[in-house]
Amino acid sequence: QQQVKQSPQSLIVQKGGISIINCAYENTAFDYFPWYQQFPGKGPALLIAIRPDVSEKKEGRFTISFNKSAKQFSLHIMDSQPGDSATYFCAALNTGTASKLTFGTGTRLQVTL
Amino acid sequence: DVKVTQSSRYLVKRTGEKVFLECVQDMDHENMFWYRQDPGLGLRLIYFSYDVKMKEKGDIPEGYSVSREKKERFSLILESASTNQTSMYLCASSLYGPGGAGEQFFGPGTRLTVL
Repeated sequence: QQQVKQSPQSLIVQKGGISIINCAYENTAFDYFPWYQQFPGKGPALLIAIRPDVSEKKEGRFTISFNKSAKQFSLHIMDSQPGDSATYFCAALNTGTASKLTFGTGTRLQVTL
Repeated sequence: DVKVTQSSRYLVKRTGEKVFLECVQDMDHENMFWYRQDPGLGLRLIYFSYDVKMKEKGDIPEGYSVSREKKERFSLILESASTNQTSMYLCASSLYGPGGAGEQFFGPGTRLTVL
């Protein structure tokens, strides 16, 4: 049972363009939504996270948009750079109960010159 | 600097062998996790532990067991390796409780091939 659905599976964006990755969740008890970034040969690392009391969070070129009623959230990478080429995972957590994250299936982003 | 280390980056084993994957964290974290990563399937949780000698099954525990005798060390054991256990294995740790649970720190992974 996949509780967090992520799309697209892969994405190619030109340098300077906007990369958009979408996630949808089912469990309304989730109240923390992080995004992880993974470079080849490395483990994932936390990139940015949001709680459902806000609709948007921005850190530099990375923005999370959150739609609570639709149970969807997305990652926007503005002015995408070749160094952003990586695999991105969305995740969700119910902070009131278990400490385990539920991950999406990942999006492989390639930013071309 | 926060660090999670895994005993091997690459491992090749034969079908039926008993395999041990070791993970050590130096952050005094209560929670530790083992995932496997496969293309198109993302990160799937095998087992996690929230304290020494405590363990809980994740989403795909079949064919695996774990051991946590010390707070900093979490071992994944494949009792009898099979070819469908060929995968990338990732260890992670996090603080206990809502405040720390969302940020997991990952090791570099062990790519296991079972022949």
